[in-house]
Amino acid sequence: GENVEQHPSTLSVQEGDSAVIKCTYSDSASNYFPWYKQELGKRPQLIIDIRSNVGEKKDQRIAVTLNKTAKHFSLHITETQPEDSAVYFCAASNGNQFYFGTGTSLTVIP
Amino acid sequence: IAGITQAPTSQILAAGRRMTLRCTQDMRHNAMYWYRQDLGLGLRLIHYSNTAGTTGKGEVPDGYSVSRANTDDFPLTLASAVPSQTSVYFCASSFGPRAGELFFGEGSRLTVL
Repeated sequence: GENVEQHPSTLSVQEGDSAVIKCTYSDSASNYFPWYKQELGKRPQLIIDIRSNVGEKKDQRIAVTLNKTAKHFSLHITETQPEDSAVYFCAASNGNQFYFGTGTSLTVIP
Repeated sequence: IAGITQAPTSQILAAGRRMTLRCTQDMRHNAMYWYRQDLGLGLRLIHYSNTAGTTGKGEVPDGYSVSRANTDDFPLTLASAVPSQTSVYFCASSFGPRAGELFFGEGSRLTVL
């Protein structure tokens, strides 16, 4: 089955700096890669996603890049704000199930 | 009901007891999932159902069972709870595994003593 690895597990940045979270996957059949944000005590919510026919997608301060050849994808958050502090999960779907990374706890220091 | 609802939100349970976590969605999603979330381990799939009447095993199915009698409901049952099943359980749904976004319920925090 699919194996998704996520790094780093924790990340602290100063407000206004950029944050990058990286994930790798193993199944070349995976074709959908969402990113979820989970605030403390809340449910995970989708913040951005990318499909395998696209190399990059951007939504305001958030962007995701995908390298199919290397089987890795990354989340980029620019101009970080304290409200960006949360746990972020990457995931990969092969059209049958969703497989999640182990999460990155992001802390934005004011 | 709007979206996906789980019950109970929190439960303390004695080991050996039977427990059913309920999940209902009103979005007419075909696919439903149960995940458990444990610190440092992320979200691990327990069971899933791609359509009413069918179910499948995920990464960590042992000790759990599910049923999908209709589109809206996807209960998760622990036949005889053990302390290692202490976790936060999330139900989720989507139009289908090929269709994109996964919507999560609020979660059920289960403690087995």
